[in-house]
Amino acid sequence: DVKVTQSSRYLVKRTGEKVFLECVQDMDHENMFWYRQDPGLGLRLIYFSYDVKMKEKGDIPEGYSVSREKKERFSLILESASTNQTSMYLCASRWGQGPYEQYFGPGTRLTVT
Amino acid sequence: QKEVEQDPGPLSVPEGAIVSLNCTYSNSAFQYFMWYRQYSRKGPELLMYTYSSGNKEDGRFTAQVDKSSKYISLFIRDSQPSDSATYLCAMSETAGNKLTFGGGTRVLVKP
Repeated sequence: DVKVTQSSRYLVKRTGEKVFLECVQDMDHENMFWYRQDPGLGLRLIYFSYDVKMKEKGDIPEGYSVSREKKERFSLILESASTNQTSMYLCASRWGQGPYEQYFGPGTRLTVT
Repeated sequence: QKEVEQDPGPLSVPEGAIVSLNCTYSNSAFQYFMWYRQYSRKGPELLMYTYSSGNKEDGRFTAQVDKSSKYISLFIRDSQPSDSATYLCAMSETAGNKLTFGGGTRVLVKP
């Protein structure tokens, strides 16, 4: 079974803090994704990576950066957290470039106060 | 206007009923259509995947795509309480392209 794990289920941070969200997948997938999920808005893509050290902006990259130093690990960084970044953050991975399934982690609920 | 529209629900049905879910979209370039199911406090998981127009059936689930109307549907027959979840539609232009998600419909199947 593919497993995508995220470092925290719940996180509370203060405005202005630097926040790291970690994601690890165990199936040697090339592609990894970070989404945020907000009520009524569905999942919105923040960043994705199709290879180690490669990254592409998604639909809402502002205020975020990412790092992928190893194939299995994809990190999302909030350089200076703001209250409008309070959300559920979901990581996903996918094998190859075809119409293949994205496998999601359980999510991290981040609250910025 | 959002690129993919989906009624947020909740949609409440008695056990055994047919659940009917749908999404409309505006981008005529979408060719790949998916339905994901998300249980509370879990990540989404793929339920159904279809390419272009037509129907696809998998057990109690049927996915339909009508590209001329820019409308996709998911039907769940003989619904069970375990089907209670949020259902998200997702679509993409090309096979390896990013997915665009609908907002999700929350479904409650009452015993």
